[in-house]
Amino acid sequence: TQLLEQSPQFLSIQEGENLTVYCNSSSVFSSLQWYRQEPGEGPVLLVTVVTGGEVKKLKRLTFQFGDARKDSSLHITAAQPGDTGLYLCAGAPGTGRRALTFGSGTRLQVQP
Amino acid sequence: GAVVSQHPSWVICKSGTSVKIECRSLDFQATTMFWYRQFPKQSLMLMATSNEGSKATYEQGVEKDKFLINHASLTLSTLTVTSAHPEDSSFYICSAQTRGRQSLHFGNGTRLTVT
Repeated sequence: TQLLEQSPQFLSIQEGENLTVYCNSSSVFSSLQWYRQEPGEGPVLLVTVVTGGEVKKLKRLTFQFGDARKDSSLHITAAQPGDTGLYLCAGAPGTGRRALTFGSGTRLQVQP
Repeated sequence: GAVVSQHPSWVICKSGTSVKIECRSLDFQATTMFWYRQFPKQSLMLMATSNEGSKATYEQGVEKDKFLINHASLTLSTLTVTSAHPEDSSFYICSAQTRGRQSLHFGNGTRLTVT
């Protein structure tokens, strides 16, 4: 079973602060996705990273895929209350199995 | 585009009854649908994978006779929770994928409460 561990599990910060969320595994993934989920709703895709070492930016969010395609990070600059939510990484195994494996999740709360 | 509609968004039922949840892809053909369960403050746990026209593949520990999945068409999959018990109360989320593409499209989830 491929496991994805996220850290931290919970983060409460003030508006304007920076933060980094980590997603780690001992398994290699063909691609990795980051989602944000708000209470009572389904996850919304933020980004997909495919190439080892790849860095993608989405406004104040920076995503990086590890060189070995086993880990990823999400960095948020100048967090805003609207960034509050549950952040989930999800890995695609690549061969055979098509289902994503979701990380344990990071709950972010940004205080105004 | 790529909208997945899940219905109902919430349901309350009595213990021992059955509940059906529908997942529809509105503007694309969903060759594969995935059903997830999410307990409060936890991540998504895959329950089963269903391909159109064939039997669903269940994850270890998920009872196939309790969680009946039907994927009879390219735009509709249903999950029926049979003889529901309070411990089945959870947030159930479907996602859909079309053949040859990796991207997943999620429904908005169904909150099931069994009293």
